[in-house]
This record gives sequence, C-alpha cells and structure tokens, in this order.
Amino acid sequence: GAVVSQHPSWVICKSGTSVKIECRSLDFQATTMFWYRQFPKQSLMLMATSNEGSKATYEQGVEKDKFLINHASLTLSTLTVTSAHPEDSSFYICSAKTGGAVTEAFFGQGTRLTVV
Amino acid sequence: GQNIDQPTEMTATEGAIVQINCTYQTSGFNGLFWYQQHAGEAPTFLSYNVLDGLEEKGRFSSFLSRSKGYSYLLLKELQMKDSASYLCAVLDSNYQLIWGAGTKLIIKP
Repeated sequence: GAVVSQHPSWVICKSGTSVKIECRSLDFQATTMFWYRQFPKQSLMLMATSNEGSKATYEQGVEKDKFLINHASLTLSTLTVTSAHPEDSSFYICSAKTGGAVTEAFFGQGTRLTVV
Repeated sequence: GQNIDQPTEMTATEGAIVQINCTYQTSGFNGLFWYQQHAGEAPTFLSYNVLDGLEEKGRFSSFLSRSKGYSYLLLKELQMKDSASYLCAVLDSNYQLIWGAGTKLIIKP
C-alpha cells in the first residue's frame, strides 16, 4: 500500500509555543489530506480537510487560527498548533488519499503532542 | 444525523473466533471500511466493502448488508497480537469518512 510519513512521532513543548507537524505522501500524489485528533479511548475526530493549493476546510468547532494547515504541494501538508496549551495535548493523525472518489485512506504514524 | 454504532469492548480467547458488529445510519453510502488500531499507533486498513456479501482475507472477513445498514468483521484463529481497537468507517454521499468510536478487542490466553 501507499506510504504516508508523519513527523515528528512525538513532541513535548512548553505552553504558549507553536508546533509544526508534517505529513508526506512518499510514493503517491495526495490530492486530499485529512487531519484528525484522537483523545485516549476515543475515535478519530476530523479536524480539517485540505486540498492541494487551496484553503483547508475546517470542521465545526475547530479554530482555524489555532490549527494552521498548509497543503503546499501534492506530497506535503503541515499542521501547526499555535500557542499550544495543555488541553491541546492529543494524538494527531494525518491521512492522505489520491484522486478518485473511492480510495482507502492511508494514515501517517501519528504524532503524540504533549504540552507542558 | 449520521451515526455509526459498534460495541465499546469485547473479550475473546486466543485461538477462538470473534465477530465485531457495526451498524450505520448515514446520508448516502459509498462503502464501509474496517481499520485496526493498536494503542498509540495510527489505524491500518483491513477491508473495504461496497457490495453486499462477505469478503475474506486470510483470518479476517468482512460482511456487508446495505439494506440493513449493517456490517461485521470476523476474526478467526485469534492471536494475542489481534488485541487492538477495530474501527468501522462509512464513506457517505460526499465521500467523507464517518468514523465509529471503535471496539476494543481484548484477547485472553
């Protein structure tokens, strides 16, 4: 299957700082990338959908000024958590899909963010 | 609204068979996925069903009944490494994935 690489795998940062998470599709062009967060023992919660070259579409309740998403190329999307606070500590996962209506979502390894 | 239901937790014995059910009510249907997720890791793809019936892949099989809004994932010859959460997800009419909360499967020796 296709490979999606997410970096870093884990990060600890101080409250008030910003953290950038990268999601790369290594062997295919990802026209659409999805960003999820997952709290312990809960399912994936879609934060935003990004299409290459256009602004991300954020889900209701997700602050777009706090969670900045950039999908600058067909192989890279970034999520920046700005002015992070302890409540932003979570597992963030990206997934990517190629063009076409029905394809499986390929997931990155996830990033464990801890804000102290 | 859109809703996907699956049991929160199930327990089974090593070597046995377990069936994880998923029922859904979504705006449109373009397929149903099953993913496996180990703690602290991202989900990995297991199966995709868009037509009614049973799809078999080794020890794992997935069944779909669109008229009933129902699917199940069948795991045979359970191994300890199968202990994980199993996520059911439906592709709706907008081709957006709607996720269930996941079923935590505990395998006992």
